[in-house]
Amino acid sequence: GESVGLHLPTLSVQEGDNSIINCAYSNSASDYFIWYKQESGKGPQFIIDIRSNMDKRQGQRVTVLLNKTVKHLSLQIAATQPGDSAVYFCADVGRNTLTFGKGTMLLVSP
Amino acid sequence: NAGVTQTPKFQVLKTGQSMTLQCAQDMNHNSMYWYRQDPGMGLRLIYYSASEGTTDKGEVPNGYNVSRLNKREFSLRLESAAPSQTSVYFCASPGKLESGELFFGEGSRLTVL
Repeated sequence: GESVGLHLPTLSVQEGDNSIINCAYSNSASDYFIWYKQESGKGPQFIIDIRSNMDKRQGQRVTVLLNKTVKHLSLQIAATQPGDSAVYFCADVGRNTLTFGKGTMLLVSP
Repeated sequence: NAGVTQTPKFQVLKTGQSMTLQCAQDMNHNSMYWYRQDPGMGLRLIYYSASEGTTDKGEVPNGYNVSRLNKREFSLRLESAAPSQTSVYFCASPGKLESGELFFGEGSRLTVL
């Protein structure tokens, strides 16, 4: 079946390092993706999105890369801070709703 | 969380009991969604409502019913709770037009004993 999955369940980095969180998807028709951040005890919050007509999109300290050839996207966080510690989800935007991956926990140590 | 309010935040039930989770959004959006989140499973769609008066099943609808009471409110009901329904439940509603962004409520943590 269609799925959106993540390679690593937990990523530990030092403060100031760059973080890369990966996501694979299986639906070749997917054309719109969103990254969400979920802090402990809260609902997911939008970080950045990308459509399939782009291969890169930048925000504030975050960059999303999309490789349609291998059906892979990544979220890069520059100069990771303790406040970035959270679970990160990629989501495939379908016609009626979103399909979420299982999530990667990012742990940032000082 | 951008105008999506859920109640209650916590609930403990015994197997077989019933309860309703309430959700309201003040963004005047047509669509509303209910997801459940379990460890290692991400968020899975239970039901959604594309507009007032319509509801549709998502990925995991069994054991749940929903009501789109009006444009603001979308409730999720467990008629006979089971331990497998222990989870964190999130209500969501879309953000910007032409965007797939969803705004989520704070979540409702349900434990079924």
